[in-house]
Amino acid sequence: SQQGEEDPQALSIQEGENATMNCSYKTSINNLQWYRQNSGRGLVHLILIRSNEREKHSGRLRVTLDTSKKSSSLLITASRAADTASYFCATDRNTGTASKLTFGTGTRLQVTL
Amino acid sequence: DTEVTQTPKHLVMGMTNKKSLKCEQHMGHRAMYWYKQKAKKPPELMFVYSYEKLSINESVPSRFSPECPNSSLLNLHLHALQPEDSALYLCASSQEPGLGTDTQYFGPGTRLTVL
Repeated sequence: SQQGEEDPQALSIQEGENATMNCSYKTSINNLQWYRQNSGRGLVHLILIRSNEREKHSGRLRVTLDTSKKSSSLLITASRAADTASYFCATDRNTGTASKLTFGTGTRLQVTL
Repeated sequence: DTEVTQTPKHLVMGMTNKKSLKCEQHMGHRAMYWYKQKAKKPPELMFVYSYEKLSINESVPSRFSPECPNSSLLNLHLHALQPEDSALYLCASSQEPGLGTDTQYFGPGTRLTVL
């Protein structure tokens, strides 16, 4: 399987704290993306980082990418209860005619008041 | 309209039934995708349609048959499914499938139970 690994599998923090999730993958990539999934629902795209980028910010999100180590991390700062969800990294090996995403195993984040 | 819609939300079917899942987007996206997601697992790609042509089939069993009647609509026809096919089926679309920075928009999914 080309599936990436994420750690931790589960993370429980209090509101206001920062949450860090890590993703490792196996193949060369065009880009790496992070998605959020609320329980049993569709996924929402959060942020995309290209293979030639090392860090990217979007609001309270910070993503890093180390292609030499085939790893990425997602940092959510000042977490809120509404951030409670599963977070997946996804590597994109674009074929030229289609975007082919392979999702990591996911991190379940619980933010408590 | 920035939404991908999927119908039905829930589906229960027997192993001898024939049913179809429907997905629709009106964002002018040129690629559409089917994923299967088992409980507490990541989504797994099944099919990709790019410019209304089947671009990727991830070795999916023939009891799943995709169809793309037009650029806005994607169907998944189901026949003779097995109980292990019970899962959340997610549809997604993306704007420019050949672009190296394409992102996907997901529908809410159809939760399928095969008895």
